[in-house]
Amino acid sequence: SQTIHQWPATLVQPVGSPLSLECTVEGTSNPNLYWYRQAAGRGLQLLFYSVGIGQISSEVPQNLSASRPQDRQFILSSKKLLLSDSGFYLCAWRPGQAYRAFFGQGTRLTVV
Amino acid sequence: GEDVEQSLFLSVREGDSSVINCTYTDSSSTYLYWYKQEPGAGLQLLTYIFSNMDMKQDQRLTVLLNKKDKHLSLRIADTQTGDSAIYFCAESPTTSGTYKYIFGTGTRLKVLA
Repeated sequence: SQTIHQWPATLVQPVGSPLSLECTVEGTSNPNLYWYRQAAGRGLQLLFYSVGIGQISSEVPQNLSASRPQDRQFILSSKKLLLSDSGFYLCAWRPGQAYRAFFGQGTRLTVV
Repeated sequence: GEDVEQSLFLSVREGDSSVINCTYTDSSSTYLYWYKQEPGAGLQLLTYIFSNMDMKQDQRLTVLLNKKDKHLSLRIADTQTGDSAIYFCAESPTTSGTYKYIFGTGTRLKVLA
């Protein structure tokens, strides 16, 4: 069966520090991968999606970047965190375009 | 462009029915989805409806789809306190070259005992 792992679960980082959140999927190949952010009191915003290794689409201009170094690994990064980067980050995968998405348990990031 | 909208809050009494509404703009999605998010957790798929259907019933859940108005609703019968959560509708446009999975803003359902 397929599983998705996302870590860490919580993170407190100072302003200006770097960020690396990792997401891995097991039990499938060539998944579509997604990073979402849920800011306090707001909905789910799509940040990045990837349909293959090295293929990243960015939805909104921001202080973050994403990479997909391996087929089932999706990394969200920042060189210098801002206060506004605080939020709940969710990784998700889908086996294909017309199918449901499966979510990780999320990372709560607090930038102080 | 793609846009999915929901009302932000809904409060109901235990035992009543809840109706959560959603409007979307892209009519190319093959499926439309409802997800539930409990506090501090990821999203769990509740139900989904194929785009050529008008209605789908799954135990206490009823999904209605009005393609003409691009309106989707989720009805929860006999709402329980355990149903308190944020509910997201989502679409997945299939227009060429798009692999996006777009969520609404989420509706926070509060069930009063």
